[in-house]
Amino acid sequence: GQQVMQIPQYQHVQEGEDFTTYCNSSTTLSNIQWYKQRPGGHPVFLIQLVKSGEVKKQKRLTFQFGEAKKNSSLHITATQTTDVGTYFCAAPDNYGQNFVFGPGTRLSVLP
Amino acid sequence: DTAVSQTPKYLVTQMGNDKSIKCEQNLGHDTMYWYKQDSKKFLKIMFSYNNKELIINETVPNRFSPKSPDKAHLNLHINSLELGDSAVYFCASSYRQGMAYEQYFGPGTRLTVT
Repeated sequence: GQQVMQIPQYQHVQEGEDFTTYCNSSTTLSNIQWYKQRPGGHPVFLIQLVKSGEVKKQKRLTFQFGEAKKNSSLHITATQTTDVGTYFCAAPDNYGQNFVFGPGTRLSVLP
Repeated sequence: DTAVSQTPKYLVTQMGNDKSIKCEQNLGHDTMYWYKQDSKKFLKIMFSYNNKELIINETVPNRFSPKSPDKAHLNLHINSLELGDSAVYFCASSYRQGMAYEQYFGPGTRLTVT
């Protein structure tokens, strides 16, 4: 079935440093979503990307959808301790009915 | 008001028992889901359901069954619980079924099977 890979699996950064997580698929995606899950919490929707090469910003977060629509990235500028959590990308499954979640990137921010 | 709620928050039970987890959404959404998150944080969809269609992930054992009394509720029944069923179970909902819609997750139910 459809699989999406994410790298890195873990990232430890000093507060104020930048952070990027990458999501890759072997197939072309119609769209991709990003979610954040705080420790002990539940996934929360961040954004959806649909267009090839699309770039969207939310304050310090920048989301990008690749030109070939096979990869996506989430970049956080000047991380803060509130950014701690696991970031998941989610892509449509092979049947286009449900989303398949990537394994996530767990971000730790050291104060 | 809580958008998607689940009960119980924690569930500890013995192997072989049957248990249920309840989920309710007050968002007026058409579609509800159940996800399983294992100890490595992998999120795997189990079911998606709207009033017309139940889509089952083929890897889910038939000991698991969703039951929807109405559009706002999707409960998860688990028969003959096994150790490997220990995980966090999330309910979610979206406006419509399909890939264009964001999902709203409940707080999760941590199931421990001993």
